[in-house]
Amino acid sequence: AQRVTQPEKLLSVFKGAPVELKCNYSYSGSPELFWYVQYSRQRLQLLLRHISRESIKGFTADLNKGETSFHLKKPFAQEEDSAMYYCALSPAFFQGAQKLVFGQGTRLTINP
Amino acid sequence: GAGVSQSPRYKVAKRGQDVALRCDPISGHVSLFWYQQALGQGPEFLTYFQNEAQLDKSGLPSDRFFAERPEGSVSTLKIQRTQQEDSAVYLCASSYRAGGISTDTQYFGPGTRLTVL
Repeated sequence: AQRVTQPEKLLSVFKGAPVELKCNYSYSGSPELFWYVQYSRQRLQLLLRHISRESIKGFTADLNKGETSFHLKKPFAQEEDSAMYYCALSPAFFQGAQKLVFGQGTRLTINP
Repeated sequence: GAGVSQSPRYKVAKRGQDVALRCDPISGHVSLFWYQQALGQGPEFLTYFQNEAQLDKSGLPSDRFFAERPEGSVSTLKIQRTQQEDSAVYLCASSYRAGGISTDTQYFGPGTRLTVL
């Protein structure tokens, strides 16, 4: 079974502090991992994906297959980072479909 | 260009009523997904279309849920005899490709918030 776990429903840090949003997954194959973000009054949008190995808005995430984790990190949080963050996985090639399996989400609040 | 649009944005139904939720994907996108997001939860997959073919409906919770995409663009999610547990935000997403080496980016609509009284 495919499952994504985000252990923290709420996370609050001060501006300028480092932030880490945790994500663990279970899947027998080699999934693709993503972070999606939803800012206030906006729609869900892709933040980053593990295969791109990019830094988006200062965020990075490294896939650790040994620990089955894909934690999202940023060294210096900014107030505009306040949002709902969802970790998601895509099972490899399910009949050509790449449905997403989402975690429950973490609401990140950056305090001034 | 225009993103994914959904209508209505809000729907209130009495228990037992039928509802129809519409999704207009980004023009030219082959893949279309429906997700259900209950309060405080992440989105959960319902069904997937590749053009007009419904290739995966494993996430539909009961036979009261039905989805179609007859011409390979606009899709409708229909819920018959609504129940209170159907109350949720229904999200539609589309992506350009049907498959490939890696998962294509899914672009989400604003969602339809369904409340069943």
